[in-house]
Amino acid sequence: AQSVAQPEDQVNVAEGNPLTVKCTYSVSGNPYLFWYVQYPNRGLQFLLKYITGDNLVKGSYGFEAEFNKSQTSFHLKKPSALVSDSALYFCAVRDNRGSYIPTFGRGTSLIVHP
Amino acid sequence: DVKVTQSSRYLVKRTGEKVFLECVQDMDHENMFWYRQDPGLGLRLIYFSYDVKMKEKGDIPEGYSVSREKKERFSLILESASTNQTSMYLCASRGTSSGPYEQYFGPGTRLTVT
Repeated sequence: AQSVAQPEDQVNVAEGNPLTVKCTYSVSGNPYLFWYVQYPNRGLQFLLKYITGDNLVKGSYGFEAEFNKSQTSFHLKKPSALVSDSALYFCAVRDNRGSYIPTFGRGTSLIVHP
Repeated sequence: DVKVTQSSRYLVKRTGEKVFLECVQDMDHENMFWYRQDPGLGLRLIYFSYDVKMKEKGDIPEGYSVSREKKERFSLILESASTNQTSMYLCASRGTSSGPYEQYFGPGTRLTVT
């Protein structure tokens, strides 16, 4: 079985400050990990993914995520937040040997204050 | 760029009506998905299709059916709409079942059943 948790429903950060959106996961094998962003009344957009290799993954719009196998985490980060980063962020996991269906977290609402 | 389009952005239907939601992708993707998104519940998978005429039930298939007669089109059918099916419906596509491929989402259909 696979699962993913986003422990924070909402994250508040001031513009210009670094941001972190947390994600932890559980899989039987090795994980494929994904981050998506959803702006109001829109579908989800792919941000970045971890497959293998370098633990720091860089993605769209200046976002990056760090894979930590020992802590089973894949936190999304950005060095300097923008007001336009305010959106709903979803983490997803897939076991590379198991189900073809990814499991999504419940989402974290990021609010960046001017 | 992958394009996933959904037939309607907003839809209002009456209880008991048969409702068709259409999804079309233009990248020759094998896999297609239907999710519903509700506040606090994240994305829940309704049905998944891994190829033409093939389908698998997701986590919440009750009250829904699907049709995939052509590779590019995946339809979600609400046989007899009920108020508890008021939700945001998201369609997604993905290259193949195996491999670390991300999903591409449509803009969503916000369905209201009165």
